[in-house]
Amino acid sequence: QQQVKQSPQSLIVQKGGISIINCAYENTAFDYFPWYQQFPGKGPALLIAIRPDVSEKKEGRFTISFNKSAKQFSLHIMDSQPGDSATYFCAASIGGGATNKLIFGTGTLLAVQP
Amino acid sequence: KAGVTQTPRYLIKTRGQQVTLSCSPISGHRSVSWYQQTPGQGLQFLFEYFSETQRNKGNFPGRFSGRQFSNSRSEMNVSTLELGDSALYLCASSEPGHNTEAFFGQGTRLTVV
Repeated sequence: QQQVKQSPQSLIVQKGGISIINCAYENTAFDYFPWYQQFPGKGPALLIAIRPDVSEKKEGRFTISFNKSAKQFSLHIMDSQPGDSATYFCAASIGGGATNKLIFGTGTLLAVQP
Repeated sequence: KAGVTQTPRYLIKTRGQQVTLSCSPISGHRSVSWYQQTPGQGLQFLFEYFSETQRNKGNFPGRFSGRQFSNSRSEMNVSTLELGDSALYLCASSEPGHNTEAFFGQGTRLTVV
């Protein structure tokens, strides 16, 4: 119940295309869903996050879509650029101020071809 | 503001030894979490400290331990190292509160030989 399932494992997209990464969870107590981007040799960095009372959140070229009933959420990268090539992780946590423990998905290696 | 600082960046240890990793959080952040990252298991939560108290622990053996000091700096210790402990160990700090953003350091790459 603590798992977050992420797909695909890897993704190749042409420059200018749309990259879509999907995640699913079981634990309905999760109330915070961030996406992290990680470049080789670096720690993960927060891209965008959403809470379950919102169905979509957009920041620049990055959009999270959230489907509470299906217990799924996805990251859309519009106009993908070679600089977006990185590993992307979805995550979930149960907050309420008691903990900042993040449960991560398995990651998606994105390659944007020029 | 300086980011999360982890030292050392790289470490090579022999099986059976113990190791201590250090994490200095962003100034003002009182919550520090530790994660283990491996190609096979991905990013796994180790433990979280807040105001010098461990408030959450992941599913790791007792060989993995940590502590937090009054200045919020944190250390994690792994005793009796095993080959499978080879991983990137990441520290993240955040402000206290509800689901606040976690800022990660660059990690310590531990290799056990």
